[in-house]
Amino acid sequence: NAGVTQTPKFRILKIGQSMTLQCTQDMNHNYMYWYRQDPGMGLKLIYYSVGAGITDKGEVPNGYNVSRSTTEDFPLRLELAAPSQTSVYFCASSYVQGDNQPQHFGDGTRLSIL
Amino acid sequence: KNEVEQSPQNLTAQEGEFITINCSYSVGISALHWLQQHPGGGIVSLFMLSSGKKKHGRLIATINIQEKHSSLHITASHPRDSAVYICAAGNFGNEKLTFGTGTRLTIIP
Repeated sequence: NAGVTQTPKFRILKIGQSMTLQCTQDMNHNYMYWYRQDPGMGLKLIYYSVGAGITDKGEVPNGYNVSRSTTEDFPLRLELAAPSQTSVYFCASSYVQGDNQPQHFGDGTRLSIL
Repeated sequence: KNEVEQSPQNLTAQEGEFITINCSYSVGISALHWLQQHPGGGIVSLFMLSSGKKKHGRLIATINIQEKHSSLHITASHPRDSAVYICAAGNFGNEKLTFGTGTRLTIIP
C-alpha cells in the first residue's frame, strides 16, 4: 500500500499565482485532513473532510479551498498565493468509526511563495 | 497560552541514555497522540492513548488524565531516534487534533 501520497514535494510560486496540492490515500479512510506547518509552530488544521462530499473549515482556512469528490482524493487549492502561505503542507487520513484513530500522514509539500 | 505544551523544546543526549519528553494539555481530550517527525520531514504516528501506558519496542508512552499530562520515554536511546517528537490532543466529538510545537531530540553517538 502506498498510504497517503502528496504531490508535488516542492513548489515555488509567484505572488498571485494559483495551484492545487494533490493528496490521495489508498486505505479507504473516511476522514482526511490538510495541515500547514510553520517553523517553530505546531501543525495547524486548514480543512478536513469526514467523507466524500463533506468538508469543513479548520483553524486556518483563509486563502484555501478544498473538495472531496471521492473517498481517495482530497485536493487543496490556493487561489491567489501570498507570501504568508509559504509553509510545509501535510495531508493526513484516518479511519474513524466512533473512537479517535491514528492519523496517517503524507510526506509533505514544501511550498514557497516569492 | 498554547492548549498543548511540550517540554523540553530541544534535548541532546548521549547514546544509551533514558529520554523523557513531556506534554501538558489544558483541553478536554478523547485521546493523546504521539508523533515522530523524521529529519526528512515525514510524520509517523507512534502512539494513541486515552489512559494508562503503552509500549512499543524501546518507546513507552504514559498518560495521567487527572493531571492532564503525558510522557514519552525512550530507553537505550540510539542516534536513529533523533527526530522531532510531537504530541497532539484529540478533541471530544470530532477528530481534530491540537498539536504541540514539538521536541527536537538529538542523540549523539
